[in-house]
Amino acid sequence: NAGVTQTPKFQVLKTGQSMTLQCAQDMNHEYMSWYRQDPGMGLRLIHYSVGAGITDQGEVPNGYNVSRSTTEDFPLRLLSAAPSQTSVYFCASRYSRGSPLHFGNGTRLTVT
Amino acid sequence: EDQVTQSPEALRLQEGESSSLNCSYTVSGLRGLFWYRQDPGKGPEFLFTLYSAGEEKEKERLKATLTKKESFLHITAPKPEDSATYLCAVQGLNTGNQFYFGTGTSLTVIP
Repeated sequence: NAGVTQTPKFQVLKTGQSMTLQCAQDMNHEYMSWYRQDPGMGLRLIHYSVGAGITDQGEVPNGYNVSRSTTEDFPLRLLSAAPSQTSVYFCASRYSRGSPLHFGNGTRLTVT
Repeated sequence: EDQVTQSPEALRLQEGESSSLNCSYTVSGLRGLFWYRQDPGKGPEFLFTLYSAGEEKEKERLKATLTKKESFLHITAPKPEDSATYLCAVQGLNTGNQFYFGTGTSLTVIP
């Protein structure tokens, strides 16, 4: 049981480039989400999904896009990277409302 | 708006010196309060869920308690391997798809 797997672990982008952060879970969780973690700030929700084909915005969605075609996968797309998107990104899933989130080990993204 | 404040920001303890971390929260109806441990370069690791005031959970040297306004994470006789950042998060009844996280307490236990 791998849990939540994120790739890549590290990425450097130039301003304006696009990329996709991958997230996969093998726990059959319907709910998946993306957070970013910045120094001095708590984890902030970017986008989430409550099931295949259903996505919604979180607290800081601008500049990011998501889709959910399968239960297992929830990729996060940066459309045109900006230095403000330099951060550590975490994917998390949970079983049901009231259940805890289970996190991957993150992707550290630097945009120059 | 749902909000979480953790204190202190950083805490240094001698091995064996017990202490408590605080998580104050504001939420319009609590669905759950969650404690996580985060090691450098890793994702948060789930520790406890508390659902109602008066509830307590224990795991090894850690004990989490909950009141209507705050939660405490008590660390008894800590060891160096307890060094990590401890995060608190709340989930509200009306905001069930979002967790609100505090900024964490960085704990260092000195041998």
